[in-house]
Amino acid sequence: QKEVEQDPGPLSVPEGAIVSLNCTYSNSAFQYFMWYRQYSRKGPELLMYTYSSGNKEDGRFTAQVDKSSKYISLFIRDSQPSDSATYLCAMRSDSWGKLQFGAGTQVVVTP
Amino acid sequence: EAEVAQSPRYKITEKSQAVAFWCDPISGHATLYWYRQILGQGPELLVQFQDESVVDDSQLPKDRFSAERLKGVDSTLKIQPAELGDSAMYLCASSPSRGEQFFGPGTRLTVL
Repeated sequence: QKEVEQDPGPLSVPEGAIVSLNCTYSNSAFQYFMWYRQYSRKGPELLMYTYSSGNKEDGRFTAQVDKSSKYISLFIRDSQPSDSATYLCAMRSDSWGKLQFGAGTQVVVTP
Repeated sequence: EAEVAQSPRYKITEKSQAVAFWCDPISGHATLYWYRQILGQGPELLVQFQDESVVDDSQLPKDRFSAERLKGVDSTLKIQPAELGDSAMYLCASSPSRGEQFFGPGTRLTVL
């Protein structure tokens, strides 16, 4: 069983809809949680970085962490075609160690 | 805006040949990472440097892969000999001693 599970999709939504993404994990030592966006043939781009449990909002993006359930989420409001990409969750147990990634969810936003 | 630089962007090679990838991290970032990303999967760490020292190479196939960061700045990842299963995206990332990791554009390797 993988430490981080993420549904690969694809997830197709109409423009303007809310995109809901999530990951589950098994290692209770994880404390730092990240979401990356990766366009085709490009490197991952950091979207959200959170520590421990709680919510964080940045523009159209909201990240939620529920450590008790070992579950993290990313919501994208007012989705745009330019949001079409693969979204990777990542996490680690300390502030500088290796990241454990999910497999990524492909999102397609249709005009 | 400072970025992680990688070269080449694409590399096609035949199995049993040697290949090398280069990474220049964001200036001042002490920690450098090499990841491998197979199509349809998330990146997996191959090696982590703190300045010029290796702090984690537990997932690096040391019989064929090597990595160095001689002056604690840029880094080279080498594969010799390349195998068909090495076809993947090789990603370099850097971070301050503690903090967020920033990724470069990657090198896409195809082994024929």
